[in-house]
Amino acid sequence: NAGVTQTPKFRVLKTGQSMTLLCAQDMNHEYMYWYRQDPGMGLRLIHYSVGEGTTAKGEVPDGYNVSRLKKQNFLLGLESAAPSQTSVYFCASSWGGSYQPQHFGDGTRLSIL
Amino acid sequence: GENVEQHPSTLSVQEGDSAVIKCTYSDSASNYFPWYKQELGKGPQLIIDIRSNVGEKKDQRIAVTLNKTAKHFSLHITETQPEDSAVYFCAASRDSGYALNFGKGTSLLVT
Repeated sequence: NAGVTQTPKFRVLKTGQSMTLLCAQDMNHEYMYWYRQDPGMGLRLIHYSVGEGTTAKGEVPDGYNVSRLKKQNFLLGLESAAPSQTSVYFCASSWGGSYQPQHFGDGTRLSIL
Repeated sequence: GENVEQHPSTLSVQEGDSAVIKCTYSDSASNYFPWYKQELGKGPQLIIDIRSNVGEKKDQRIAVTLNKTAKHFSLHITETQPEDSAVYFCAASRDSGYALNFGKGTSLLVT
């Protein structure tokens, strides 16, 4: 069982470039989430999805877009990368909302120069 | 929105001692409180969780207590071992919600 797999693991971008982070889960989970983790800030929710074809904004959505075209995949896009988006990005998934633990991937380390 | 505060930010203990990490939350509607352990270069892993209708839960050397009146919950690790060294995060969410609100983490070092 792979669980939650994030691609790529590392990436360096230049300011203004675009890229897509891919999250794939093999647990048939309905809910998927994207967080960013910055030093001293904990994890902050960017966007989430409660099912295929749905997306919603989290705490820090500006500068990011997401898509959930297939149940097992959740994509996070940066249209025009900024240095403030340098962070570690984590994807998570869960069966549902209430009382359901979230399972995390190992993260994508993104640096924007 | 929910605000989760976590203390201390760093904690150093001797092997075999106990470690306690405390969190407070602001939203009285929160009723699910998980704890995650994050090792270097890895994603957070759930280690224990508690619902609001339970005051305490234990799993081997790990226990969590919840005081809904005071809006705080704590993680207790007994007989600490070097492999317990990691960053620990508390979180809170509402019954009908799906967003986990995380504390800022506690870096635990067991020597």
